[in-house]
Amino acid sequence: EDQVTQSPEALRLQEGESSSLNCSYTVSGLRGLFWYRQDPGKGPEFLFTLYSAGEEKEKERLKATLTKKESFLHITAPKPEDSATYLCAVQASGNNDMRFGAGTRLTVKP
Amino acid sequence: GAVVSQHPSWVICKSGTSVKIECRSLDFQATTMFWYRQFPKQSLMLMATSNEGSKATYEQGVEKDKFLINHASLTLSTLTVTSAHPEDSSFYICSASRLGGSTDTQYFGPGTRLTVL
Repeated sequence: EDQVTQSPEALRLQEGESSSLNCSYTVSGLRGLFWYRQDPGKGPEFLFTLYSAGEEKEKERLKATLTKKESFLHITAPKPEDSATYLCAVQASGNNDMRFGAGTRLTVKP
Repeated sequence: GAVVSQHPSWVICKSGTSVKIECRSLDFQATTMFWYRQFPKQSLMLMATSNEGSKATYEQGVEKDKFLINHASLTLSTLTVTSAHPEDSSFYICSASRLGGSTDTQYFGPGTRLTVL
């Protein structure tokens, strides 16, 4: 069965303090790994899709990387507006649905 | 592009009534639409998957007769919560799948907060 585990569950950072969020996964043939950002009371906002081990993608202060077992979302010099829950999801070969992790709640203090 | 809307954004209803939630892909045709439910501080739980013109596929434990899904076109899907009860109160989120590259990326609507009194 496909599984996605995110850690830590919650992360508190000072503004400018860089860190990484982890997404470990097991899937029967990875079709894609997705990162989303979700603000309270809102729907998830698409950030990245990663397809194969070794791939990296960047957007502003965020950088996502992928290995055969896990993905990291690196946040460089975060700002308070980066505070949100970050969700990781995997899509298996032959499927078009996704399995989500429980998310990491990030709080960035000014 | 890839904007998904939901209506209404919130709804309060009495126990025993039915509530319809609309999900629209505004600037693309969706290959598939998905309905999720999210409880406070928890992740998204997939309820059902629907393709235009076909019956929805429900996840295990989701009552088909309680959560009616109609996928009338490539840009519109509706979820009707029938005979709602307080335990159905939740945040309902839809997504629309857009084929890009080798994957179907899901783009999410803003969600609908349902409160059943």
